[in-house]
Amino acid sequence: AQSVAQPEDQVNVAEGNPLTVKCTYSVSGNPYLFWYVQYPNRGLQFLLKYITGDNLVKGSYGFEAEFNKSQTSFHLKKPSALVSDSALYFCAVRDRGSTLGRLYFGRGTQLTVWP
Amino acid sequence: DGGITQSPKYLFRKEGQNVTLSCEQNLNHDAMYWYRQDPGQGLRLIYYSQIVNDFQKGDIAEGYSVSREKKESFPLTVTSAQKNPTAFYLCASTHVPQVGPRNEQFFGPGTRLTVL
Repeated sequence: AQSVAQPEDQVNVAEGNPLTVKCTYSVSGNPYLFWYVQYPNRGLQFLLKYITGDNLVKGSYGFEAEFNKSQTSFHLKKPSALVSDSALYFCAVRDRGSTLGRLYFGRGTQLTVWP
Repeated sequence: DGGITQSPKYLFRKEGQNVTLSCEQNLNHDAMYWYRQDPGQGLRLIYYSQIVNDFQKGDIAEGYSVSREKKESFPLTVTSAQKNPTAFYLCASTHVPQVGPRNEQFFGPGTRLTVL
């Protein structure tokens, strides 16, 4: 069974400080991993993905994520947070061996960056 | 200007009524998806379609129906059988390559449905 856990409902960080939003996953095979961001009353915007290769993935708006196979984690990071980063963040996983292409999403983590 | 459009943005329905949410994409994507979003529950898959005239139930299909008569369109009907339909509904699509992994899903702006 495929599943994604985002253990923190909320993350609060001061502007200029580094931020981490955690994600762990469970898939029957090898994963494709994704991060999305959602602003209020909007759709999801793609941030970055891990398909293969380098475990450190760089994405939009200065975000990056590190794939850790042994810990089955894909934490989202940014060296210096901005107030405008405040939003709801979703981690998603897809089984590499699946032909259906469906994603499994975590419950989301609300990031608040205070000035 | 390519993308996914959903209409209406806000929809109000009386109990016992069926309503249809529109989703249109001009990205030439093969696969399309409908998700329901409730606070604190993330996104749950309602239905998905990988090709015209074919679709599969997701995790919470009861009380919903879809059609895929055209590649560009994947409307969702919320029927009176859906017990708690008030939610934010998101449509998504993705390209299905002949070889290699699928890319990320692209999302529409969403429709907020409220049952009065």
